[in-house]
Amino acid sequence: NAGVTQTPKFQVLKTGQSMTLQCAQDMNHEYMSWYRQDPGMGLRLIHYSVGAGITDQGEVPNGYNVSRSTTEDFPLRLLSAAPSQTSVYFCASSWARPSSGNTIYFGEGSWLTVV
Amino acid sequence: AQSVTQLGSHVSVSEGALVLLRCNYSSSVPPYLFWYVQYPNQGLQLLLKYTTGATLVKGINGFEAEFKKSETSFHLTKPSAHMSDAAEYFCAVSLNTGNQFYFGTGTSLTVIP
Repeated sequence: NAGVTQTPKFQVLKTGQSMTLQCAQDMNHEYMSWYRQDPGMGLRLIHYSVGAGITDQGEVPNGYNVSRSTTEDFPLRLLSAAPSQTSVYFCASSWARPSSGNTIYFGEGSWLTVV
Repeated sequence: AQSVTQLGSHVSVSEGALVLLRCNYSSSVPPYLFWYVQYPNQGLQLLLKYTTGATLVKGINGFEAEFKKSETSFHLTKPSAHMSDAAEYFCAVSLNTGNQFYFGTGTSLTVIP
């Protein structure tokens, strides 16, 4: 079972460069989301989607863009990378919205360093 | 706004000793409650969750947690720690309204041989 797949696992970017973190899930999950994990701060929500064509901002959306053209894919775009975006990024998905009490499943993470 | 508090960012226990990781939430209505574990350089895995019903929830690897509404708590316990339990543990909450999960800042568990 593939579950939630993220690519790339590691990436080094120069300040000002743009890139896309890919996320795909094969569980037909309606809800998908992106988090960043920083030491001492836990997981902070960047963007989420409750279905194809529907996205919304989370707690820390600035500098990031998302789209959801299919149920399976939810890419995260860094528009102009900054050192403050150095972090570990996790994609996560759930069968339904969090208000349903469903479990959220995580990918393996993408380690991004901006120099 | 919803908040999840994990008391103690670092907890050390001896192998075979009781593990107790604390989690409190701020919701005024009973939320859905989760505990996740993260091993080094990996994603988060579900340990257990509470949605409704019995307030004592059993999870994988011998862990359990008890929902106490009066204390707004969902502490994680394991009677006897193993070396393999060394990891980061996150408490998370979702509500019956809204579109977000809320995570605590995590507790790093060290098991001393």
